Amino acid sequence: QQQVKQSPQSLIVQKGGISIINCAYENTAFDYFPWYQQFPGKGPALLIAIRPDVSEKKEGRFTISFNKSAKQFSLHIMDSQPGDSATYFCAASSPGNTPLVFGKGTRLSVIA
Amino acid sequence: DGGITQSPKYLFRKEGQNVTLSCEQNLNHDAMYWYRQDPGQGLRLIYYSQIVNDFQKGDIAEGYSVSREKKESFPLTVTSAQKNPTAFYLCASSGGVGFGRAEAFFGQGTRLTVV
Repeated sequence: QQQVKQSPQSLIVQKGGISIINCAYENTAFDYFPWYQQFPGKGPALLIAIRPDVSEKKEGRFTISFNKSAKQFSLHIMDSQPGDSATYFCAASSPGNTPLVFGKGTRLSVIA
Repeated sequence: DGGITQSPKYLFRKEGQNVTLSCEQNLNHDAMYWYRQDPGQGLRLIYYSQIVNDFQKGDIAEGYSVSREKKESFPLTVTSAQKNPTAFYLCASSGGVGFGRAEAFFGQGTRLTVV
């Protein structure tokens, strides 16, 4: 049973455009929702994270929107750049040092 | 520099052979994790440890074993019982404070190939 469902699987965006990746979850005990960015051959790195008591968090060009009632959260990348081309993973975890549960990833390609 | 060190970067295994992947952290984190990454499958949890001398099975533990004798180290052994071991293996740790306590820091991965 997949606990975090991520879509789309792949995404192609023009340079300067907005990239949007969506995730949905079922477990209402989740209280931490990070997004990770991974370049080929490298480990994932934390991009931005949110807790369910806020509806939006922005860091530079990256924004997480969170809808607690719908159990959905999304990543928006404004003014997308070729350097943003990578695989993005959403994740979620419960309180304590419980393991992150990951979505299956979205491969983003930003073309000039 | 603080971080997670995985070695080797590339590893080749013959059929029927056990191999051990190394993971060391100097972040003073209590929790450590092993994930397996296959194309289109995301990251799947193999084993995790929240404290020294204790570890728990994840979703795909069959064919793998771990130990946690030291806080800094969490080696993963891929045994001959793992029938499809070719994958990218990622080690992570967590244990910060406040909002960042759940943040997982990842190593650079080990790519294991069966030859």
